[in-house]
Amino acid sequence: QVQLQESGPGLVKPSGTLSLTCAVSGGSISSNNWWNWVRQPPGKGLEWIGEIYHSGSTNYNPSLKSRVTISVDKSKNQFSLKLSSLTAADTAVYYCARDLGSRQENYWGQGTLVTVSS
Amino acid sequence: DIQMTQSPSSLSASVGDRVTITCRASQSISNYLNWFQQIPGRAPKSLIYAASSLQSGVPSRFSGSGSGTDFTLTISSLQPEDFATYYCQHSHTTPYTFGQGTKLEI
Repeated sequence: QVQLQESGPGLVKPSGTLSLTCAVSGGSISSNNWWNWVRQPPGKGLEWIGEIYHSGSTNYNPSLKSRVTISVDKSKNQFSLKLSSLTAADTAVYYCARDLGSRQENYWGQGTLVTVSS
Repeated sequence: DIQMTQSPSSLSASVGDRVTITCRASQSISNYLNWFQQIPGRAPKSLIYAASSLQSGVPSRFSGSGSGTDFTLTISSLQPEDFATYYCQHSHTTPYTFGQGTKLEI
């Protein structure tokens, strides 16, 4: 069964850039799946950030599009998130997930808390 | 963007009860609808995809139904481990959006 694991710094400075990686195991990132990022501010609901296909095709949430880049590294079987121009409002648990946008089973990582603070 | 509205926002129930949570989309989404369970401090767990298909490993007491704009998640007989927050999410078009959540309490 596919497993996803997020990694990256837990503390980033305001105006800086958040960089997270999601390692995929138990399956290939080059399979017919879309790879997603979702975030959840403390005590709040879920917000979809964007998705990528192994070809490099991406879809982003318009509310974040100007600040988001999602990329894929097939050699390492992982995909990544970069979010720039950070403010305290970007403090959240960030999750990676597979296939939130298709009518098939979906899978989530355990999540990683990123705090934006000086 | 398609808006997803869940009702109720919170619900009190007892072990053994049958519970239904409703999710309404602001426009038709066919059956592009997922349901998730989230326990505090944990990642969301997939329960139902494509409105009515049970994710592997999920107990059969969970079921989903609906199409178009109105959907339901039903738990046939509540177990102690089912007390959590439940979210719906549409996957019809990007941006995918989630309902605000339904907190199921004892």
